[in-house]
Amino acid sequence: EDQVTQSPEALRLQEGESSSLNCSYTVSGLRGLFWYRQDPGKGPEFLFTLYSAGEEKEKERLKATLTKKESFLHITAPKPEDSATYLCAVQDDGSEKLVFGKGTKLTVNP
Amino acid sequence: GAVVSQHPSRVICKSGTSVKIECRSLDFQATTMFWYRQFPKKSLMLMATSNEGSKATYEQGVEKDKFLINHASLTLSTLTVTSAHPEDSSFYICSARDRGRRGEKLFFGSGTQLSVL
Repeated sequence: EDQVTQSPEALRLQEGESSSLNCSYTVSGLRGLFWYRQDPGKGPEFLFTLYSAGEEKEKERLKATLTKKESFLHITAPKPEDSATYLCAVQDDGSEKLVFGKGTKLTVNP
Repeated sequence: GAVVSQHPSRVICKSGTSVKIECRSLDFQATTMFWYRQFPKKSLMLMATSNEGSKATYEQGVEKDKFLINHASLTLSTLTVTSAHPEDSSFYICSARDRGRRGEKLFFGSGTQLSVL
């Protein structure tokens, strides 16, 4: 059974303090690993899709990396507006479904 | 702007009534849409996969007679919560897969907060 574990559950940073969020996963065959941002009371907002180990993608202060067992979302010099819950999800080969982790709630203090 | 539109964003209803939630893909055709349920501080739980022109595929433990899904066209899927009860109160989110020019991405609606009194 596909599993996704995100850590930490919650993270508090000061503005400008860089850090990383972790997503560990177990799948029989990875079709894709997805990162989303979710604000309270809203649907998830797509950030990245990673397909194979070694792949990296960047968007503004965010950088996602992928290995065969985990993915990291690196946040460089975060700002208060980066505060949100970040969700990781995996899609298995031959499946239409995404399996989500519980998310990491990030709070960036000014 | 949003590529998947979901409404209503919030609904309050009495126990025993039915509630319909709509999910539209705005600028792409979605042969497959997904319906999720999310509890506070929990991950998204897939309820069903909605396929245009055919019956929805429900996840184990999801009552198909309570959560009716209709994928009427390539841009519209609806979820009807029938005879709603307080335990059905939750945040419901739809998503649609775009396999077009953007590459394969899954976009989400803004969610519907259902409160059953």
